[in-house]
Amino acid sequence: RKEVEQDPGPFNVPEGATVAFNCTYSNSASQSFFWYRQDCRKEPKLLMSVYSSGNEDGRFTAQLNRASQYISLLIRDSKLSDSATYLCVVNNKGRRALTFGSGTRLQVQP
Amino acid sequence: GAGVSQTPSNKVTEKGKYVELRCDPISGHTALYWYRQSLGQGPEFLIYFQGTGAADDSGLPNDRFFAVRPEGSVSTLKIQRTERGDSAVYLCASSTLAGGTNTGELFFGEGSRLTVL
Repeated sequence: RKEVEQDPGPFNVPEGATVAFNCTYSNSASQSFFWYRQDCRKEPKLLMSVYSSGNEDGRFTAQLNRASQYISLLIRDSKLSDSATYLCVVNNKGRRALTFGSGTRLQVQP
Repeated sequence: GAGVSQTPSNKVTEKGKYVELRCDPISGHTALYWYRQSLGQGPEFLIYFQGTGAADDSGLPNDRFFAVRPEGSVSTLKIQRTERGDSAVYLCASSTLAGGTNTGELFFGEGSRLTVL
């Protein structure tokens, strides 16, 4: 079983739609959580951190459920430029390296 | 440049050959990471350097893989006796000491695409 699991998609949504991705992690020692964005054939870049209380950055909302060990990302009012792969990332206590999920591909269509 | 620089951007080699991949991190970043990414997968951790020392090499798949960072800046990933299964994009990332664990912000290079024929 992978340490971080994501639905690979693709999620095909029209512009303006709201879309949500979930991710589950298996290691209960995971202590920090993030979403990264990766455009096609480009390097991953940090999108946002995920806090237990939930956090919002513009059209993006991230939430963490420690009891169920899952993380979510909600994108409102999707733009064409949101088309990318979204990587769920966790950090385990005592380790500096981040563990990446396989990513969920989003395609926003006009 | 201001970002993480990786060379070569593309490398095609034959099975059994030796390859070296280079990473030049962001100036002042003490932490350096190597990941590899296969098609349709997320980055897979290989090794992490803090300064000159390999603080965590638990992701190296076998003893054909080795990495160095002799002066605490540039790092080289070395792969001996390459196999077709080594074909992937090798990503290097750097961060400040507070990065990684705390802020989650690793700055990745564009990667070195390795193809083993």
